[in-house]
Amino acid sequence: AQSVTQPDIHITVSEGASLELRCNYSYGATPYLFWYVQSPGQGLQLLLKYFSGDTLVQGIKGFEAEFKRSQSSFNLRKPSVHWSDAAEYFCAVGPRSGTYKYIFGTGTRLKVLA
Amino acid sequence: NAGVTQTPKFQVLKTGQSMTLQCAQDMNHNSMYWYRQDPGMGLRLIYYSASEGTTDKGEVPNGYNVSRLNKREFSLRLESAAPSQTSVYFCASSEAGYRRSSYNEQFFGPGTRLTVL
Repeated sequence: AQSVTQPDIHITVSEGASLELRCNYSYGATPYLFWYVQSPGQGLQLLLKYFSGDTLVQGIKGFEAEFKRSQSSFNLRKPSVHWSDAAEYFCAVGPRSGTYKYIFGTGTRLKVLA
Repeated sequence: NAGVTQTPKFQVLKTGQSMTLQCAQDMNHNSMYWYRQDPGMGLRLIYYSASEGTTDKGEVPNGYNVSRLNKREFSLRLESAAPSQTSVYFCASSEAGYRRSSYNEQFFGPGTRLTVL
């Protein structure tokens, strides 16, 4: 079955520290991959996406993610976290053809310590 | 461009009442979606519409109905609200077409926070 797993429900980091949020997917083929961020009380905003080509993709707000086919992973990283990065982060996969459904992980809530 | 708009932002219902959540997008997208978000469960797809005139069930369709009124608008109706439908509801749209792969990201509305007493 198709699925997206975000193993970390909560992560706490200090401001200025590096960050890595994990995402693993189960899919019949290489899907389209997305990371979204949701600030409290807000909708979801796209951080970055991977369709093909270079496996390291850059996004907004200084985030990047690396697609690793062999590990079925698409981990999100940021070298230096800012207090404003505190939010919930969702990994998602989208189909290349056929259905039009996107599958979301359950999210990782990031807390940033001053 | 307003993107994806949703009304209302907040709603409190009593068990058994009905209501319709409205969603509109101004990006000329083909596909539209309704999700519910509950703590620890991520986003779960209720219904989606791949193109104007079509709708399909998602993961959790029971207790809901939808209408794709035109290309811009996609409404979600709760005929007889239940406390289990207390949630935050998000509408989304994307450029995925009926004969094209879903290669583009979804754009989300700000959400409707619904409480059923």
